[in-house]
Amino acid sequence: GDSVTQMEGPVTLSEEAFLTINCTYTATGYPSLFWYVQYPGEGLQLLLKATKADDKGSNKGFEATYRKETTSFHLEKGSVQVSDSAVYFCALIPSGSARQLTFGSGTQLTVLP
Amino acid sequence: GAGVSQSPSNKVTEKGKDVELRCDPISGHTALYWYRQSLGQGLEFLIYFQGNSAPDKSGLPSDRFSAERTGGSVSTLTIQRTQQEDSAVYLCASSSRGGGANVLTFGAGSRLTVL
Repeated sequence: GDSVTQMEGPVTLSEEAFLTINCTYTATGYPSLFWYVQYPGEGLQLLLKATKADDKGSNKGFEATYRKETTSFHLEKGSVQVSDSAVYFCALIPSGSARQLTFGSGTQLTVLP
Repeated sequence: GAGVSQSPSNKVTEKGKDVELRCDPISGHTALYWYRQSLGQGLEFLIYFQGNSAPDKSGLPSDRFSAERTGGSVSTLTIQRTQQEDSAVYLCASSSRGGGANVLTFGAGSRLTVL
């Protein structure tokens, strides 16, 4: 079945450090890929998405590129801020599906001032 | 409403009691989802409603769990005879359509603690 594997946390970085959170997936065809973020005490919010191979999703300085050849969708940010501290979830919806998102286990990020 | 509203935000109950969790989706959203987020785990799909179609219940972990959606809007997730392993945050999400690349909007969740 479809699955998403994320880099295990927690991840602790200093402000302005470079961030990478790895995400790989298993799915048939061409799924749509997402990163969701959950700030403390809040619901999940869509951070970015990509719907086809080689697409790059970007938002708030975060980027992720849909790599079909490596079945990956790694999240990156060049310079993190304390306000980026949150839990990040990678997710997919299979192609042609009217079903639910499949989520990874989440990665806790803490950015220290 | 402006967002997905869930209630209660926190619920503490005794083992064996029944609980009801409510979700009020964004007005006009036809798709509604329930997920469960256990400590240290990812999000586990529970159930999906789309318009007037029969719900996808494939994620419900046992027959103690049920959900309904009245009038295509508000949904209630019911857990009967709660067990300690039911302790988790229950998240509701809605979208304007189901599946594809449609964006889900999540509520803040209902945290359930079973003593």
